[in-house]
Amino acid sequence: EMQLVESGGGLVQPGGSLRLSCAASGFTFKNYHMGWVRQTPGEGLEWVANIRPDGSVKFYVDSVKGRFTISRDNARDSLFLQMNSLRVEDTAVYYCGRGGGNSDLWGQGTLVTVSS
Amino acid sequence: DVVMTQSPLSLPVTLGQPASISCRSSQTLVYSDGNIYLSWFHQRPGQSPRRLIYKVSDRDSGVPDRLSGSGSGTDFTLKISRVEAEDVGVYYCMQGTHWPHTFGQGTKLEIK
Repeated sequence: EMQLVESGGGLVQPGGSLRLSCAASGFTFKNYHMGWVRQTPGEGLEWVANIRPDGSVKFYVDSVKGRFTISRDNARDSLFLQMNSLRVEDTAVYYCGRGGGNSDLWGQGTLVTVSS
Repeated sequence: DVVMTQSPLSLPVTLGQPASISCRSSQTLVYSDGNIYLSWFHQRPGQSPRRLIYKVSDRDSGVPDRLSGSGSGTDFTLKISRVEAEDVGVYYCMQGTHWPHTFGQGTKLEIK
């Protein structure tokens, strides 16, 4: 069964850091673009970052540029999101997603809460 | 960024009746490979979104043929021919042609 499982969310103070992980199974991870999408009650769904299969090219939404870094380890079938200088408005459920513009598989999400 | 505008935002429907959701993009969604990366997702409370339709009209595995996608240019539609109880939830359109990929605001379908 194809699956994505996120972990690493939690409560962090403004200005703090978190590292999210996504473990992939049931498919050939190294062949796929991967990305992170977040969801908030007020702002809906937002595609945060994408990375190409070999990790050579990365895309970020403007609101996280310079603060978030997407990376992957194809040997370990894993995707990561390093989040620094977190803001209250980064509070959301973060989903790991397979594919880029044609994304077809998402994980169950991990909640990130930025609050003092 | 490409703005995706859905309507209606709330959709009460009687069981067995049809339903239709519109999604309009602020730019054309034709990618350099000739494809239009317009998808539809369904989300139930407490669950992650599940893709139903991709490239405007292709149905994902396991999606009933009661659901269909259509459209071209900047106007796209998701249709449900006969609404069933399992169809309740929020529907989102998403464009994957331009970066950043963007979503519509969501349409909440409920049973009358």
